[in-house]
Amino acid sequence: GAGVSQSPSNKVTEKGKDVELRCDPISGHTALYWYRQSLGQGLEFLIYFQGNSAPDKSGLPSDRFSAERTGGSVSTLTIQRTQQEDSAVYLCASSARQGQETQYFGPGTRLLVL
Amino acid sequence: AQSVSQHNHHVILSEAASLELGCNYSYGGTVNLFWYVQYPGQHLQLLLKYFSGDPLVKGIKGFEAEFIKSKFSFNLRKPSVQWSDTAEYFCAVNYRSGTYKYIFGTGTRLKVLA
Repeated sequence: GAGVSQSPSNKVTEKGKDVELRCDPISGHTALYWYRQSLGQGLEFLIYFQGNSAPDKSGLPSDRFSAERTGGSVSTLTIQRTQQEDSAVYLCASSARQGQETQYFGPGTRLLVL
Repeated sequence: AQSVSQHNHHVILSEAASLELGCNYSYGGTVNLFWYVQYPGQHLQLLLKYFSGDPLVKGIKGFEAEFIKSKFSFNLRKPSVQWSDTAEYFCAVNYRSGTYKYIFGTGTRLKVLA
């Protein structure tokens, strides 16, 4: 596609439920990143995929968070047993390759946990 | 731990004023440096980047940034701001060793008064 797309754009859920957030990167981009943007906290790195290499999961805040990338393209971020502190905007970005390349960001998914 | 600091959280300027936003990063070897901007209601997008060479980098819309290695800084500047520069600005660092994840600062909200 023309850019990075994310779905849903907004998600309201109840505490304790599981949610899945989807990211479609730019076609051909091998690197894919997930970030969490909270008010006043900037962008918090969550996880990074590069091609077929093992992902860098060092930013995931707890074992309730997981992500996968199928076929080197679409990625899904899953949050299990959501908590109110998980409320944030979840951003996905892709780049042509790791490191020096510009990241292209999607519009984000705004998650609200009640 | 690797970190990026943006000391100005909120900046208010009048049109035609000069702008300088500070960005400092922690030591971690050779780095790639970026400034991203998020205009109201829009995606994060690249403003400028530095990989190597001339430490004074010019970006879009009249912005520039200077990499000062000895100070671990990459400050963003614009000689004369416009109302349309109202946005949130993020500094980001990518350390060339390791897994190529990006570290973002907490952002600076700039409001330009017409």
